[in-house]
Amino acid sequence: NAGVTQTPKFQVLKTGQSMTLQCAQDMNHEYMSWYRQDPGMGLRLIHYSVGAGITDQGEVPNGYNVSRSTTEDFPLRLLSAAPSQTSVYFCASSYSIGTGGEGEQYFGPGTRLTVT
Amino acid sequence: EDQVTQSPEALRLQEGESSSLNCSYTVSGLRGLFWYRQDPGKGPEFLFTLYSAGEEKEKERLKATLTKKESFLHITAPKPEDSATYLCAAPSARQLTFGSGTQLTVLP
Repeated sequence: NAGVTQTPKFQVLKTGQSMTLQCAQDMNHEYMSWYRQDPGMGLRLIHYSVGAGITDQGEVPNGYNVSRSTTEDFPLRLLSAAPSQTSVYFCASSYSIGTGGEGEQYFGPGTRLTVT
Repeated sequence: EDQVTQSPEALRLQEGESSSLNCSYTVSGLRGLFWYRQDPGKGPEFLFTLYSAGEEKEKERLKATLTKKESFLHITAPKPEDSATYLCAAPSARQLTFGSGTQLTVLP
């Protein structure tokens, strides 16, 4: 069981470039989410998905797109990178939704993104 | 607006010196309060779920408690390996709202 995997671990982009952060889980979890973590601001939800084909916005969705074509994969796309998107990005998954179970999330190791 | 606030922001303890971390929340229809541990350079790791006021959970030197407005993470006789950032979170509307964390350093 690999859990939640993320690639790449590190990435440097120039302003205006686009890229996709990959996230995969092998636990058959329905709920998946993307967070960004910035110093002093904690984890902020970008987008989440409650199952294949269903996604929704979180607290800070602007500049990011997601899709969920399979249960296992939940990629995050940066459309046109900006320095304000410099952050650490975490993908997470959980086994249940709607009953508070989404709190017991399993996190990936993170992607450190720098936009110059 | 749902809010989760943690204090203190940072805490330095001597090995064996017990203390508590605080998490206060204003989330309507609270359906659980969660504690996570995050080591530098890693993703958060789930520790506890508390569902109702008065509930307590323990794991090694950690004990989490919950009241109607706040939660405490008590650390008894901590060791240097307990050094980490501790995060609390509350779910609402299919989302988790995280506090900004308490960075705990335990000195040998």
